[in-house]
Amino acid sequence: DTGVSQDPRHKITKRGQNVTFRCDPISEHNRLYWYRQTLGQGPEFLTYFQNEAQLEKSRLLSDRFSAERPKGSFSTLEIQRTEQGDSAMYLCASSPTGGSYNEQFFGPGTRLTVL
Amino acid sequence: AQSVTQLDSQVPVFEEAPVELRCNYSSSVSVYLFWYVQYPNQGLQLLLKYLSGSTLVKGINGFEAEFNKSQTSFHLRKPSVHISDTAEYFCAVSGSGYSTLTFGKGTMLLVSP
Repeated sequence: DTGVSQDPRHKITKRGQNVTFRCDPISEHNRLYWYRQTLGQGPEFLTYFQNEAQLEKSRLLSDRFSAERPKGSFSTLEIQRTEQGDSAMYLCASSPTGGSYNEQFFGPGTRLTVL
Repeated sequence: AQSVTQLDSQVPVFEEAPVELRCNYSSSVSVYLFWYVQYPNQGLQLLLKYLSGSTLVKGINGFEAEFNKSQTSFHLRKPSVHISDTAEYFCAVSGSGYSTLTFGKGTMLLVSP
């Protein structure tokens, strides 16, 4: 059994470049979440999908950020024209649906450093 | 809107001593409460959760937490810590069982011999 996986684990880029991260959820988990964690802070919600539909987006998700989950399986998070303030750990989580409670299982994260 | 306050950014403790990590929340609706642990360079792992029922919740690795509605608190405790418990601990709240999580800023537990 594999958990949630994220790729790459680390990314260093220069300001102004575009970056894309990938998340592979646990198989058959319908829901997929993206969170951002900056130094000294807890994770903050960015967006989530149920299957391929993006159901909610945080105000943190500026128009430079876009997320997709084209076939309801893996998801990508793209950041265009990166800024130094985008440096953070980007966490992905997945959960099943059904029942009164669905635990979110987290991946190891992608650490982004913008120089 | 929901929010979580973790009152201590760092808690140093000696091995085999008891520990309590404090968490207070605010919410206008009924809440589900969680504690997660994060080891260096890893994702978050669920320690325990409160959904309903008994206010004393037991989790993995010997941790437990008590939900106190009148004080809006959900403090995490362990009677005897190990070096391997050194990690960052996050309290989180959600308004339902399947909505997004709102996290506190975390408490770094530092266990020394």
